[in-house]
Amino acid sequence: EVQLVESGGGLVQPGGSLRLSCSAFGFTFSDYAIHWVRQAPGKGLQIVSAISSDGGTTFYADSVKGRFTISRDNSKNTLYLQMSNLRTEDTAIYYCVKDPRRSGWSNYFEYWGQGTLVTVSS
Amino acid sequence: VVWMTQSPSLLSASTGDRVTITCRMSQGISNYLAWYQQKPGKAPELLIYGVSTLQSGVPSRFSGSGSGTDFTLTISCLQPEDFATYYCQQYSSFPWTFGRGTKVEIK
Repeated sequence: EVQLVESGGGLVQPGGSLRLSCSAFGFTFSDYAIHWVRQAPGKGLQIVSAISSDGGTTFYADSVKGRFTISRDNSKNTLYLQMSNLRTEDTAIYYCVKDPRRSGWSNYFEYWGQGTLVTVSS
Repeated sequence: VVWMTQSPSLLSASTGDRVTITCRMSQGISNYLAWYQQKPGKAPELLIYGVSTLQSGVPSRFSGSGSGTDFTLTISCLQPEDFATYYCQQYSSFPWTFGRGTKVEIK
């Protein structure tokens, strides 16, 4: 059974940093691109970042470019999102999401984690 | 950026009703359109991809159609478990974008 388990969320002050992790189970992690999607409280969904199966290709939304870094460790079946210079508008649930295509990109979202809440507030 | 207009934002319906949700794109996206269902406190779940292909396990009362810039999600006979929020998503070009959502509530 495919499982994605996010961790690392919490309360941080504006300008602070946080690293999210996503542990993957039940599939060959190194074969699939993974995405981060966020949802502000009571709001809609927004793509944050994505990374190819080998980590060689990354994408970032304009709103996080230069502040967030996506990476993965295929030996540990783990995805990361390093977030720095956080703003109040980054407050959201962050979901780790598996791409359905093996060794490529489909860019719709087949399996979702349960999410981890990041709150940026003073 | 592909902008999306999803409507309505709120839909009041009864069990057994046929309901339709629409998404209009600011430019053509071929068939790169997906639909998701989200219930309170839960992550979204994939219903449909490629405009009309049902994800495994999704009931056949859900269907998707459309082309170019205009797309629809139809629920043919609303069931109690279908009361939720629905989102469309385009994946034609990055950033992949979502509609603002349609909340289907009990009339």
